[in-house]
Amino acid sequence: DFVMTQSPESLAVSLGEGATINCKSSQSVFYSSNNKNYLAWYQQKPGQPPKVLIYWASTRESGVPDRFSGSGSGTDFTLTISSLQAEDVAVYYCQQYYTTPFTFGQGTRLEIK
Amino acid sequence: QVQLQESGPGLVNPSGTLSLTCAVSGGSLSSGNWWSWVRQSPGKGLEWIGEIFDSGRSNYNPSLKSRVSISVDKSKNQFSLRLTSVTAADTAVYYCARRPISVFGVGYSHFDSWGQGTLVTVSS
Repeated sequence: DFVMTQSPESLAVSLGEGATINCKSSQSVFYSSNNKNYLAWYQQKPGQPPKVLIYWASTRESGVPDRFSGSGSGTDFTLTISSLQAEDVAVYYCQQYYTTPFTFGQGTRLEIK
Repeated sequence: QVQLQESGPGLVNPSGTLSLTCAVSGGSLSSGNWWSWVRQSPGKGLEWIGEIFDSGRSNYNPSLKSRVSISVDKSKNQFSLRLTSVTAADTAVYYCARRPISVFGVGYSHFDSWGQGTLVTVSS
């Protein structure tokens, strides 16, 4: 199985400041045939299901604020929140869909400092 | 806007069978998507269980494959999960989710819609 490792496990950031979450895959999730990274980012708030923010590593889902951005390729990826808002408090997960079984990172808890 | 809603018993006896159904509304099950089950427990985080296409073709997580089956009922626009020989380790929130067919014809795609989830506890 592809192992997805996120860092840090938790993060406290002041309102208006930037936040960066990292995700490392045990194997590359890049398909050279279509130049795509098969990596998504999800946000999960308490009592709610995960919600997709970013897919293909850097494509923002419709309706997601542009303060969320994704980057990276191959095995190393980053989710960046440019200016933290109170509603961004959540747990964030990366997920690879390059192959089955689909696997998720262990999550990064983002809090307000 | 498709909506998914899980239903089923919240308590299952050890060694018993867990059965859940996901009702799909606002869209057809026969719309060219994969329909998945994902579970979330404190100990193992988010874990993909398996998925089914409207044709009945399915994929399962090898770690659960011997105990899992997923079926589809097009007439009711719903799909179901069956997990046998459950133990306390199967206690989790179970989500159903939709995954579109990959537009690139290779690899897979992300989960774009999720149900609210249902907690299933395995205990006597």
